[in-house]
Amino acid sequence: EVLLTQSPGTLSLSPGESATLSCRASHRIDNSFAWYQQKPGQPPRLLISGASTRATGTPDRFSGSGSGTIFTLTISRLEPEDFAVYYCQQYEKSQGSFGRGTKLEI
Amino acid sequence: DVQLLESGGGLVQPGGSLRLSCSASGFTFRHYAMTWVRQASGKGLEWVSAISASGASTHYAESVQGRLTISRDNSGHTTYLQMNSLRADDTAIYYCAKTVTRGVIPRGYLEDWGRGTLVIVSS
Repeated sequence: EVLLTQSPGTLSLSPGESATLSCRASHRIDNSFAWYQQKPGQPPRLLISGASTRATGTPDRFSGSGSGTIFTLTISRLEPEDFAVYYCQQYEKSQGSFGRGTKLEI
Repeated sequence: DVQLLESGGGLVQPGGSLRLSCSASGFTFRHYAMTWVRQASGKGLEWVSAISASGASTHYAESVQGRLTISRDNSGHTTYLQMNSLRADDTAIYYCAKTVTRGVIPRGYLEDWGRGTLVIVSS
């Protein structure tokens, strides 16, 4: 099983600032990596797949990068609607797995 | 628009069974793998199980292996999760998700999600 460790657990920032969220995998994986955003009372929403490809409707202030064991989600120019919980996911292995999430708060 | 509607959740005693359903519309169901993900209250996401587009290939998390069974009916556009020998730690919202894969193996990213159905395992 591939374990994903997200950091930080909580990130406190203000609108207009930039956020950098990290996810470390316990084993090297290819670019079978995704990021999701979840707001309270809602299901998760796909933001990024293939480590760096924005999903339809994902604003270009969201960017994904990384390879091997370290992956990063960068959000530039934070908007009020960006404050949420973010999860990383690997889908290279037959058993998919998620990180425990990073809460982005104001 | 893609729509995924989960149903079948509820209150069940430990050791009991439930069958969850996920009804799909707005896309060619038989072309996509499907995945179940769960989320306990206030906790993170847990990948549970996935099934290939044809239904021939299935995968499970170790925590549910042997107790949960995923299946699908392509003619009825529905995915199922049969849950047996339920335990208190199975209590969660269960989401189904349309899964985009690169091949026939049901590994992929979760492009669209339903709103979930709540399962509570308690005496």
